[in-house]
Amino acid sequence: DAKTTQPNSMESNEEEPVHLPCNHSTISGTDYIHWYRQLPSQGPEYVIHGLTSNVNNRMASLAIAEDRKSSTLILHRATLRDAAVYYCILRDKNQAGTALIFGKGTTLSVSS
Amino acid sequence: DTAVSQTPKYLVTQMGNDKSIKCEQNLGHDTMYWYKQDSKKFLKIMFSYNNKELIINETVPNRFSPKSPDKAHLNLHINSLELGDSAVYFCASSLPGHNSPLHFGNGTRLTVT
Repeated sequence: DAKTTQPNSMESNEEEPVHLPCNHSTISGTDYIHWYRQLPSQGPEYVIHGLTSNVNNRMASLAIAEDRKSSTLILHRATLRDAAVYYCILRDKNQAGTALIFGKGTTLSVSS
Repeated sequence: DTAVSQTPKYLVTQMGNDKSIKCEQNLGHDTMYWYKQDSKKFLKIMFSYNNKELIINETVPNRFSPKSPDKAHLNLHINSLELGDSAVYFCASSLPGHNSPLHFGNGTRLTVT
């Protein structure tokens, strides 16, 4: 699996936007970009995924660079509940049903 | 209704014992997984089952054995527990397809003394 690089930690204030970066310079044409997050004492939960175009859902937005070598998860208005570890993961579309390989992720702290 | 449920939530046991962790999903998913999260919070895939067939086994000691009585259940049995087995174990499930998200349970915290 292609590797992703994320900052170890980031801080934000409540109700401000948060931009979580992810570098994946060795991404292949068949890799989808997935984001998960893990709240304290819970299992990981799916956030969003995309291939080339920017994506929006009720939780977040995903901005993908034109060369696909990086992406950014955008939380439009951070809340205290958004404090979690955020994982950027590449998933090959030709390997359906395979497990996600988690890296270290970015620990997001949100202050009131 | 809980989509992916694990029991027990906490498990404390002594070295050398045999224990099982149960996992059930009510999502109708075909694939189920077991992950281990150690004290450094690193999540590692252990097993993946697709329609009751093992499709991944990531260098896990053979003391660990997944057992799937049916598509909705994937239990994890551990023989001869060791101190290093202490961790949080997460079960997950998904539909086939590379874009199908994984749904995780809330974990079982295993402590071996």
